[in-house]
Amino acid sequence: QVQLVESGGGVVQPGRSLRLSCAASGFNFIMYGMHWVRQAPGKGLEWVAVTSYDGSNKFYGDSVKGRFTISRDNSKNTLSLEMNSLRGEDTAVYYCATDRGTSGGYGMDVWGQGTTVIVSS
Amino acid sequence: EIVLTQSPATLSLSPGESATLSCRASQSVGSQLTWYQQKPGQAPRLLIYDASYRATGIPARFSGSGSGTDFTLTISSLETEDFAVYYCQQRSGWPPRFTFGPGTKVDFK
Repeated sequence: QVQLVESGGGVVQPGRSLRLSCAASGFNFIMYGMHWVRQAPGKGLEWVAVTSYDGSNKFYGDSVKGRFTISRDNSKNTLSLEMNSLRGEDTAVYYCATDRGTSGGYGMDVWGQGTTVIVSS
Repeated sequence: EIVLTQSPATLSLSPGESATLSCRASQSVGSQLTWYQQKPGQAPRLLIYDASYRATGIPARFSGSGSGTDFTLTISSLETEDFAVYYCQQRSGWPPRFTFGPGTKVDFK
């Protein structure tokens, strides 16, 4: 079945960097756009970034634009999120999710279980 | 930026009752409205997309309606596993942008 497994979370100091990964299996990864969505403790959901099926189009939420970079490796069925200049407000559970289509413009379908990022000194 | 408002914030009901959740957009989103369910400690799950289409495997007791700025998620007869938080989400055209509502918690009366 479709499975998404996030990894790479942890505790990091403000201003430092962290790289998250999402391993996909059980479906044809190259056919779908992919998202990152986050959820701060006790809060709602916030869309972070999306990439199209081939990585040619990437878009970001305003709060992470210029600091985060989404990428994918279709040969390894892996999605990544490089997070730089981390701030306390980036503390959250980060979920990867498939898009309903190839472009990344349709919205989230299947979600992983998330990985926790804590930004603290 | 389009803002989504969900009401009520909390809905206290008993199993077997019907639930009506509202999502209002600050400007028209057409039918580009999605509903997700999230249980404590779990990832969200897609319920309804494009305002009224049930996702694969979603029971028929879940239905969505609306267009423009006003949308409704109805759960016709609550099962115990339906007690959760429900989020609506809108998607813009191109470039894609996605915003979520603050959520409605359906809990036990």
